[in-house]
Amino acid sequence: GENVEQHPSTLSVQEGDSAVIKCTYSDSASNYFPWYKQELGKRPQLIIDIRSNVGEKKDQRIAVTLNKTAKHFSLHITETQPEDSAVYFCAASHQAAGNKLTFGGGTRVLVKP
Amino acid sequence: DTGVSQDPRHKITKRGQNVTFRCDPISEHNRLYWYRQTLGQGPEFLTYFQNEAQLEKSRLLSDRFSAERPKGSFSTLEIQRTEQGDSAMYLCASSHIRGLAGVDEQFFGPGTRLTVL
Repeated sequence: GENVEQHPSTLSVQEGDSAVIKCTYSDSASNYFPWYKQELGKRPQLIIDIRSNVGEKKDQRIAVTLNKTAKHFSLHITETQPEDSAVYFCAASHQAAGNKLTFGGGTRVLVKP
Repeated sequence: DTGVSQDPRHKITKRGQNVTFRCDPISEHNRLYWYRQTLGQGPEFLTYFQNEAQLEKSRLLSDRFSAERPKGSFSTLEIQRTEQGDSAMYLCASSHIRGLAGVDEQFFGPGTRLTVL
């Protein structure tokens, strides 16, 4: 089955700096890659996703890139703000596996004011 | 609130007791997923339904676990003879798949936090 690795496990950045989180996946059939943000005690919230037919997607301060050949994808957050502090999870899925999500281990991001 | 809801939000039980959780998906979403999340980890897939049909169960789902979605709307997850290792957050998510090539985002509920003493 699919395996998703996520790095780093913790990330501390100064407010205004950029944050980058990287994930690799094992199943070349995976074709959908969402990113979720989870604040303490709350539900995971989808912040951005990318499908395998595109290489990059941007939404305001967040962007995701996908390299299908290398089987890795990354989340980029620019101009970080204290409210960006949370745990971020990457995930992968594919249609033949019922679109069930396989998650990475998470990255705890702390934005210092 | 038109999002995914779960009930109860918290459950404390003694080892050996049975517990049941409920998930109400977003209206008219045809897919419903259950995941389990332990502290400091990402959610792990347990099972999913398309309408009322349970299409896959993870190996994580022992025979003490059973899930239903009788009318293709809400779903229940029951754990029989709970063990301390069952303590976790149980998350439900729903999505709407359109046609054979659909890939739609999953929206998560707030979860049920289970503590087995």
